[in-house]
Amino acid sequence: DQQVKQNSPSLSVQEGRISILNCDYTNSMFDYFLWYKKYPAEGPTFLISISSIKDKNEDGRFTVFLNKSAKHLSLHIVPSQPGDSAVYFCAVRHTGTASKLTFGTGTRLQVTL
Amino acid sequence: KAGVTQTPRYLIKTRGQQVTLSCSPISGHRSVSWYQQTPGQGLQFLFEYFSETQRNKGNFPGRFSGRQFSNSRSEMNVSTLELGDSALYLCASSLASGGTRGYTFGSGTRLTVV
Repeated sequence: DQQVKQNSPSLSVQEGRISILNCDYTNSMFDYFLWYKKYPAEGPTFLISISSIKDKNEDGRFTVFLNKSAKHLSLHIVPSQPGDSAVYFCAVRHTGTASKLTFGTGTRLQVTL
Repeated sequence: KAGVTQTPRYLIKTRGQQVTLSCSPISGHRSVSWYQQTPGQGLQFLFEYFSETQRNKGNFPGRFSGRQFSNSRSEMNVSTLELGDSALYLCASSLASGGTRGYTFGSGTRLTVV
């Protein structure tokens, strides 16, 4: 069963506009939610995380929103830049098994000029 | 500070063979996790080692095994390779087990089974 879903495999956004990447999860026992960015031929790079006790976390151009009632996580990138073009994975950490991350299947973001 | 180093970067093996992949974590990191990335399944957790002990294991068959040495370096072994084992294998390290910033990943080993 897929506990973490990223339903949009790809997204194209113009430079300067907002990019919104979405992630849905099924299990209420997740305590931390993370976003990773991955370029080709490189490993994923940590971007931003949020605790289950919060609903928003900001870091520069990146903001993560958590809607626990809807079991929905989103990443906003404002303004989008061409260097943001990459595959974005959401990941969740399960309470009690902190070492294991469950990843979504990823969304490929293309920022166009 | 050196990152997570995985060797080799690329590997081609034949069905039925076995393979060993190596991971050197960031200096001082004691936790090492392994993930398999395939186009259809995304990243899937294989196992985590902390201080030479396996702390957590994913849903993979017993053909997948690992170990961690006293210097925190880790190896992953896959025996009796199948075509479906073709994937990017990623190693990630962390100071402690878990952590709110997740792990630092290496660039991976691309395994192709023919």
